[in-house]
Amino acid sequence: GENVEQHPSTLSVQEGDSAVIKCTYSDSASNYFPWYKQELGKGPQLIIDIRSNVGEKKDQRIAVTLNKTAKHFSLHITETQPEDSAVYFCAAVMDSNYQLIWGAGTKLIIKP
Amino acid sequence: ETGVTQTPRHLVMGMTNKKSLKCEQHLGHNAMYWYKQSAKKPLELMFVYNFKEQTENNSVPSRFSPECPNSSHLFLHLHTLQPEDSALYLCASSQYPGQGNSPLHFGNGTRLTVT
Repeated sequence: GENVEQHPSTLSVQEGDSAVIKCTYSDSASNYFPWYKQELGKGPQLIIDIRSNVGEKKDQRIAVTLNKTAKHFSLHITETQPEDSAVYFCAAVMDSNYQLIWGAGTKLIIKP
Repeated sequence: ETGVTQTPRHLVMGMTNKKSLKCEQHLGHNAMYWYKQSAKKPLELMFVYNFKEQTENNSVPSRFSPECPNSSHLFLHLHTLQPEDSALYLCASSQYPGQGNSPLHFGNGTRLTVT
């Protein structure tokens, strides 16, 4: 079945620097890749997503890239700020009617 | 209120107790979900309801029993739980059925501790 690997499990960066979180998926038929952010004491919240017909999507300081050949996608956060500290989850789904397959999460720590 | 509301926020129960988790969504969505979140593990989908009908049960033990009386409310009834059931239980909703069709909106979860 589908499997999603997420790395690193913990990432610590200096405020103002960039952060990159990577995910790989196993099923080449996957076509939708969302990223969720979970702040302490809250549920996950969708921050950006990408479909397999595009290679990159950007929304202000966050961007997601997709490499279908290598079956991996990445979240990029530029000019990190303290409010970016959270756990980030990637996910993949083969078809819109199927279940999301989740990564194990990356705890992002922004050092002042 | 807006969004997805879960109660209680914290719950401690013994293995012989019976308790229920409640979820309410104020978004007019048609699909609702129960997830289990354990530390450093992927979210585990437990149950899916589309238009009040259960469509997924991911091999969840019968000590967890869901109930969806209408499209806005979702319950998770708990009985004779085990310590390994201690986790954060998240409720989510989406406008359309199918987790690839529309974003999931999560509640803040119920932190369950089984003693």
